[in-house]
Amino acid sequence: DGGITQSPKYLFRKEGQNVTLSCEQNLNHDAMYWYRQDPGQGLRLIYYSQIVNDFQKGDIAEGYSVSREKKESFPLTVTSAQKNPTAFYLCASSIGPSGEQYFGPGTRLTVT
Amino acid sequence: GDSVTQMEGPVTLSEEAFLTINCTYTATGYPSLFWYVQYPGEGLQLLLKATKADDKGSNKGFEATYRKETTSFHLEKGSVQVSDSAVYFCALFYTGGFKTIFGAGTRLFVKA
Repeated sequence: DGGITQSPKYLFRKEGQNVTLSCEQNLNHDAMYWYRQDPGQGLRLIYYSQIVNDFQKGDIAEGYSVSREKKESFPLTVTSAQKNPTAFYLCASSIGPSGEQYFGPGTRLTVT
Repeated sequence: GDSVTQMEGPVTLSEEAFLTINCTYTATGYPSLFWYVQYPGEGLQLLLKATKADDKGSNKGFEATYRKETTSFHLEKGSVQVSDSAVYFCALFYTGGFKTIFGAGTRLFVKA
C-alpha cells in the first residue's frame, strides 16, 4: 500500500538537543511538506520541497532544518534554536504543488 | 493577506442530526477550496474539494459548495454518525503556488 510513514509516533527530548523526525513516502510524489500543529490552531508550514535537492522556507522555518536527498525522504531536524518545539508535526506530500495533499500519521514531540 | 476562518468548536450533535460547519475565506484571487478531516491521533485526510465557483464537492455523505459571492465553503452532512467525530479543517490553495492556507479547525463530537 502506498502512503506516508512518520516515525516515531511519540518522541521525547531534553531541551538543548537537536532531534530529527523521519518522513518517508512511496507515492512517487515530487512535492513534500512539513507542518506544525498546535492545539486550537491550524497547520503552519515549516518547509516545502518541490523536487529533490531543493526546498523553501515556510512561515515558521526558524529553528528547523530539512534535507531532500531522495525523492522518498524529507527529514526534519528540530534544532535547539527552536524556542518552543513541543508540538505535533505532520509531513505531507502531493504529486506536484497542490492543495490536495496526503498526510502521514504525525509525530508528537515533547521537549522538557 | 489570504485567510480561512472557521466556526469555533466544539460542535456537539446527537447521532443522525444535521451538520453544518461554517467556513469563510479571504482571497485575492480564485483559489481551490478543500475540507480535510483529522481523526484523533492521526494525520489529515482529504474529505472533498472544489476548484471553482459554484462547484460542489462531495464525499462520504459530506458536501460543500464553493460560493464566490459570499466567500464561503460550508461543510454539511444530512445525518451524522458517532464515527464522524473528528476535527475538520477548511483550506485554500492557489494553482501555481505552493502554500495551502488552513483554518484553525472545528472539533465535532457526535453522541450516540
